[in-house]
Amino acid sequence: DGGITQSPKYLFRKEGQNVTLSCEQNLNHDAMYWYRQDPGQGLRLIYYSQIVNDFQKGDIAEGYSVSREKKESFPLTVTSAQKNPTAFYLCASSESEGISNQPQHFGDGTRLSIL
Amino acid sequence: GNSVTQMEGPVTLSEEAFLTINCTYTATGYPSLFWYVQYPGEGLQLLLKATKADDKGSNKGFEATYRKETTSFHLEKGSVQVSDSAVYFCALSEGGSARQLTFGSGTQLTVLP
Repeated sequence: DGGITQSPKYLFRKEGQNVTLSCEQNLNHDAMYWYRQDPGQGLRLIYYSQIVNDFQKGDIAEGYSVSREKKESFPLTVTSAQKNPTAFYLCASSESEGISNQPQHFGDGTRLSIL
Repeated sequence: GNSVTQMEGPVTLSEEAFLTINCTYTATGYPSLFWYVQYPGEGLQLLLKATKADDKGSNKGFEATYRKETTSFHLEKGSVQVSDSAVYFCALSEGGSARQLTFGSGTQLTVLP
C-alpha cells in the first residue's frame, strides 16, 4: 500500500541536542510538508518542499531545518535552538503544489518530548 | 491572509444524535475546502472536500456544502456512532503555492453509547 511513514513514533530530546524525524513516502508525490501540532491548536506549517533539492520556510521555521535530497524523503531536524520542541509533528505530501484541490496525505506523526 | 474558524469543542453527543460542526473561512480568492479527521495517536485523514461554490462533499455519512455567500463549510452527519469519536479539522487551500492548507483549531467529538 502506498503511504507516508514517519519514524520514530515517540522521540525524546535532551537539552542542547539535535534530533531528526524521518518522513518517507511512496506515493510519488512532488510536494512534502512538515507541520507542528500543539494541544488544542490546529496545524502550523514548519517547512515545505515542492521538488527535490528545494524547500521553503513555513510559518514557524525558526529552530528547525530540513533537506530534500530524494523525492521520497523529507527529514526534519529539530535543533537546540528550538526552545519549546515538545509537540506532535506531522509530515504530509501531495501530488502537485500548484493545484489547490489536491488533498494532502498525512503520516501517523512523531511525538517529541523533552527529557 | 487566509483563516479558518471552527466551532469550539469539545462536543459530546449520544449515539445516533445529529452532528453539526461549524466552520467559516476568510480567503482572498476562491479556495478549495476540506474536512480532515484525526483519530487518537494518528495523523490526519481526508474526510471530504469541495472545490467550488455550492459543491457538496460527502463521505461515510458526513456532508458539507461550500457556501460562498456565508463563507461557510459546516460538517454534518445525521446519526453519529461511537466510532466517529475523533478530532475534526476544517481547512482551506488556494492554488499557486505549496503553502496550501490553512487549518482551523480542530473540534474534539466524543460519542457516547
